[in-house]
Amino acid sequence: TQLLEQSPQFLSIQEGENLTVYCNSSSVFSSLQWYRQEPGEGPVLLVTVVTGGEVKKLKRLTFQFGDARKDSSLHITAAQTGDTGLYLCAGRGYSGGGADGLTFGKGTHLIIQP
Amino acid sequence: DTEVTQTPKHLVMGMTNKKSLKCEQHMGHRAMYWYKQKAKKPPELMFVYSYEKLSINESVPSRFSPECPNSSLLNLHLHALQPEDSALYLCASSLSGGSPDTQYFGPGTRLTVL
Repeated sequence: TQLLEQSPQFLSIQEGENLTVYCNSSSVFSSLQWYRQEPGEGPVLLVTVVTGGEVKKLKRLTFQFGDARKDSSLHITAAQTGDTGLYLCAGRGYSGGGADGLTFGKGTHLIIQP
Repeated sequence: DTEVTQTPKHLVMGMTNKKSLKCEQHMGHRAMYWYKQKAKKPPELMFVYSYEKLSINESVPSRFSPECPNSSLLNLHLHALQPEDSALYLCASSLSGGSPDTQYFGPGTRLTVL
């Protein structure tokens, strides 16, 4: 069974501060996705990382995939109140090319205070 | 367009009722998924359909019955549910199962079982 440890689970910071969320596993993933979810809504895709060592930037969000494809991080620069939400990392293992479910981390509940 | 639609948005049912959840996508995706999400928890995989055939059933009780009538539609038939089945039910789709095979989620159906 593949597990993803996501930390921190809760984070409350002031607007303008920087933060980093981590996802770690002992398993290797073929790809890893980051989602953001609002209460009562479905997860919205932020990014997919595929290549070990890959770095992707989405405005103030920077995503990294570890060299060994076992870990990932999300860094937010100059957080804004609109960044408040639940952030989920989700990994896909190697399933011989067939469709497979995602393994989710427990999520990071982020609150940005004005 | 990366839209997955789900109906209804909210559903309240008694333990003796029969109801169905519907999911639709027009992205040409050939893999579709059902996830269950309890409050403050990450989504948990229930079923995977690949090319309209059930490929993964995560030991889900038989009171949940999935159906994939065609490549764009996915249903979840509900019968004799228990109050602990109350949750947000999420549908997702992906291209076909190759890498990275990003999954896109619908907005979910909030189910309450009385």
